[in-house]
Order: sequence, then structure tokens, then C-alpha cells
Amino acid sequence: NAGVTQTPKFQVLKTGQSMTLQCAQDMNHEYMSWYRQDPGMGLRLIHYSVGAGITDQGEVPNGYNVSRSTTEDFPLRLLSAAPSQTSVYFCASSYSGLNEQFFGPGTRLTVL
Amino acid sequence: AQSVAQPEDQVNVAEGNPLTVKCTYSVSGNPYLFWYVQYPNRGLQFLLKYITGDNLVKGSYGFEAEFNKSQTSFHLKKPSALVSDSALYFCAVRDLASGNTPLVFGKGTRLSVIA
Repeated sequence: NAGVTQTPKFQVLKTGQSMTLQCAQDMNHEYMSWYRQDPGMGLRLIHYSVGAGITDQGEVPNGYNVSRSTTEDFPLRLLSAAPSQTSVYFCASSYSGLNEQFFGPGTRLTVL
Repeated sequence: AQSVAQPEDQVNVAEGNPLTVKCTYSVSGNPYLFWYVQYPNRGLQFLLKYITGDNLVKGSYGFEAEFNKSQTSFHLKKPSALVSDSALYFCAVRDLASGNTPLVFGKGTRLSVIA
């Protein structure tokens, strides 16, 4: 198993550009989540999904979109990048809400 | 709403000494509690969890945590710290009464073990 994979590892964008952060898992997990990590802020939930076709907003959803067309993939779209979205983004998955989450290696995004 | 607090941004301990990283939580129902560790430039790794049963939970790398319902705490402990334990530690909680919402994480505590 590859576990949770994220691409790209690093990305630099200009203000206003759009992009998609990819996340995939091969563990047949129903739950998938996107977090952002900022210094002194811990991990903040952006969006999450409890199964294919079902998504919901987390604590900081503005400026981001998600979709879940398959169990394996959960891409995060930045619609119009802003410097405030400079952060490290982590994708995570779990079999259910009672189980531990497995985290990807992260994507470090810089918006100029 | 569920929340978790880690009151210490930084904990320093000498190698070989016991360590404690503190966590308190707030939920309306019964809590599911987790500890994760993050090494530099890596994703988070699961250490241990409490769902029900024995209040003392044992996890990876010699870590354990004690669930205290009356104090709403779930402190992470290790009897003898190693330099390699130096990392960022996160406590997380999920309220059973909250439906399908994912984990809520604390802001993290940086542990520094000094040789």
C-alpha cells in the first residue's frame, strides 16, 4: 500500500492563479479530510468527506473547493490564490470516524 | 462543539527523564481522543487513541496517555525521554455526539529532549 499520497510536494503560485492539490489513498477509506497547518495555529480543517459524493465544510473553507467522485481521490481546488493561503496542506484518511487518520506527506504552498 | 487545548507551546526535558505533554478537551458527549506526532517536514503519525475501557492507553515508541474524565484531560507520558522524541505533538478529539465530523486538533506542543 502506498497509503496517502499528495502531489505536488511544493508549489509557488501568483495571486489570482488557480490550482488543484491532489490527494489519493489506496486503503479503501471512507473518510478523507484536508487540513492546513500554519505556525502557532495547529491543524485547521478545510473540507472533509465521509464517502464518495459527500463533502462538507470545515473550519476554514473559504477560497477552497472539493469534490469526491471516487473513494480513492479527494482533490482540493484553490479558486483564486491569495497570499493568506500560503501554508502547508495535509490530506488525511481513515476507515471511519472511530479510527485513526493516516496523513499524507503534505504540500507546501507559497502564494506571492 | 468539540475543542481541545494544549496549554504548553514548548516542553523541554533532559534525556532519560520522564516527560508529560498536556491536553485537555471539551465535548458534549463521550470523547474519542488521539495523540499524533510530527517530525520535521513530515506528515502526522498516529501514536495512540482512547475510545473506551482502561484509562491508561499504551501506544507506539513507549508512549502512553492517561484519560481522566473528571479533569477532562488526556496527557501524553513517557517514563524515559529520548533525544529522538523531539518533535511536535498534537492532541485531537472527536465527540461521539457530533455525527460524522472529523477530528479537531490542538495547536501542538513542541517537545525538545536535551542530551
